[in-house]
Amino acid sequence: KAGVTQTPRYLIKTRGQQVTLSCSPISGHRSVSWYQQTPGQGLQFLFEYFSETQRNKGNFPGRFSGRQFSNSRSEMNVSTLELGDSALYLCASSGPLGTGTSGANVLTFGAGSRLTVL
Amino acid sequence: AQSVTQPDIHITVSEGASLELRCNYSYGATPYLFWYVQSPGQGLQLLLKYFSGDTLVQGIKGFEAEFKRSQSSFNLRKPSVHWSDAAEYFCAVGPHSGGYQKVTFGTGTKLQVIP
Repeated sequence: KAGVTQTPRYLIKTRGQQVTLSCSPISGHRSVSWYQQTPGQGLQFLFEYFSETQRNKGNFPGRFSGRQFSNSRSEMNVSTLELGDSALYLCASSGPLGTGTSGANVLTFGAGSRLTVL
Repeated sequence: AQSVTQPDIHITVSEGASLELRCNYSYGATPYLFWYVQSPGQGLQLLLKYFSGDTLVQGIKGFEAEFKRSQSSFNLRKPSVHWSDAAEYFCAVGPHSGGYQKVTFGTGTKLQVIP
């Protein structure tokens, strides 16, 4: 089955602009998580959506937002971009509870969207 | 709060040599533990996972990891490293029960393989 698809793969924006990133999860997966990866901070959890509801949110400012659609596809938006928002944004999907072992879910990652803010 | 520590930022090994990457975690209950690998410019690929049972788990590409509860460790090992193993490796811990998915990652260990 197809993996997690993130678009666009690369993008360049300037300070003050806003950006929207898209993530299509593995078919049948209902949970989508977003992470920001930077050399200095590593992988930082942004938020997680399940059945169109945000269930958990990391410690990021309100400029970072997301949503999930009824087909489980997810988008994240960053408004008023800052230089420090330059990062690789990773999306990961996971299956419904009960899949595999003991109800735990395993994250399958997309290739990421590389955002450069100038 | 859950956390993961990977004490080695960068490791260099010779091709054919054995490898051990260290991972220590902090979690209030029985954790789920993962190792992921990331090649440059790519997403993360799952190498192996521990949920319960046998504390020695086998993964893809010849990797294995051992869960040691007493030491709060989940070290990754490979008996003979190949040049293609050069990548960054991430240890991660996740919740034992369902509800929501928040997996916490370590800062990663970058592996360099020299001929």
